[in-house]
Formats: sequence, structure tokens, C-alpha cells
Amino acid sequence: AQSVTQPDIHITVSEGASLELRCNYSYGATPYLFWYVQSPGQGLQLLLKYFSGDTLVQGIKGFEAEFKRSQSSFNLRKPSVHWSDAAEYFCAVGAGVILTGGGNKLTFGTGTQLKVEL
Amino acid sequence: KAGVTQTPRYLIKTRGQQVTLSCSPISGHRSVSWYQQTPGQGLQFLFEYFSETQRNKGNFPGRFSGRQFSNSRSEMNVSTLELGDSALYLCASSTGPNTGELFFGEGSRLTVL
Repeated sequence: AQSVTQPDIHITVSEGASLELRCNYSYGATPYLFWYVQSPGQGLQLLLKYFSGDTLVQGIKGFEAEFKRSQSSFNLRKPSVHWSDAAEYFCAVGAGVILTGGGNKLTFGTGTQLKVEL
Repeated sequence: KAGVTQTPRYLIKTRGQQVTLSCSPISGHRSVSWYQQTPGQGLQFLFEYFSETQRNKGNFPGRFSGRQFSNSRSEMNVSTLELGDSALYLCASSTGPNTGELFFGEGSRLTVL
């Protein structure tokens, strides 16, 4: 079964500083990887996804993530954080849907709460 | 384009009661998934529907059920509520069953007393 680990529960950065949120996954085949963001009282919004191809993927709001198969990681980065980025960030893995029919069943990490200091 | 709409947004029930939550997907989206979010267990997959058929089911007891209508709207039902069912229930829609690109609603927050 697949699993996702987000080792950092809370992270605090200063506005304008760079950000990296860590994500490690466990999955036997080629994973589908996602980062979602949740603001207080809101649902989740997709930031970016990796299915195949270029291991550096660009997302919305200036975020990017790099898939490293050798490290089973999919870390999220942003070069300069804005105060509005304060939220909870979730990494998720999906089954290799074409082969296993996993559909839209995603396994989420426990989330990283980002605080931005002004 | 309107987003995913979930109703009700908040509700309070007592143990033993049942509850029905509703989800209207984005227009044109035919797949609806449900997730439960709690502080202790995080986000957990409940089930997914596509073309009125359940495609996947998570590890939840049979008290949790769902269905999808021909217009892609979905409902989930929880019977014989327990205190541990208190959670934010999130509905997500997507264009199809194998995209992984989920568009979430704001959720229905259920409190069981």
C-alpha cells in the first residue's frame, strides 16, 4: 500500500524567504504525486502534479516541486514566500491508475502547517 | 464556472442518528470522491463514484455509504453516528475517474454529540 510522509508538522518562514516542504512517498510502481494547499475553513486546492516526464514541475502561485525517484521524494519549493502563502500543505500519492484502476483514490500525508512572519 | 458545492456546511447530530451530505460537482465533471478529514487521522479516502457506479471504497465501516445520481450529484450517508464520526467531510470532483486532479468543495463539518 502506498504511504506519504511529511516530516515537518510546522514550518515558519519570513516573508520573502525561500521555502521547501518535504515529502517522502512509498509506492511500488511509478507514483502519481500531488501537492494540495488548504487555507483555514476552505477545501483543498491543487498546486501541482507529477505523472511522468520532466521531474521538475511547475504549479500555480509560483510553486514548483521536484520528483526524485532515488530518494522517493517530491519536495515543494518556492523562491520567495508571500504572507498569503500561510496555509496547510498536503502531499499526496495516487495509484498508477491506468494499470491498477486506482482512480482518484489519493493517499495524503499529514500535512505541513506553514506560518509566514512579516 | 461554479465550484464544488457541498451542503450543509455545518451540522450537529447526536449519537445514533444518521446524516446525509450532498455534493454538486463542477459542471461537466462526472467523477465525485469523498474524503474524511480529522485532526487525528488526517485525510482519508471514503469512496469514489463515476457514472453512478462506485469505483473505489476506502477502509470505512458499512455505516458509511454513498451514491451518485445521473446528473453527477452525489450524496453520502452515515448511519448510527458515533462520536468519532465528527469530522470535515470533503467532496471532490474531477473530469474523469483516473485524473487525480481533484477539485474540492469547502466541506461539510459534522459534529456528533
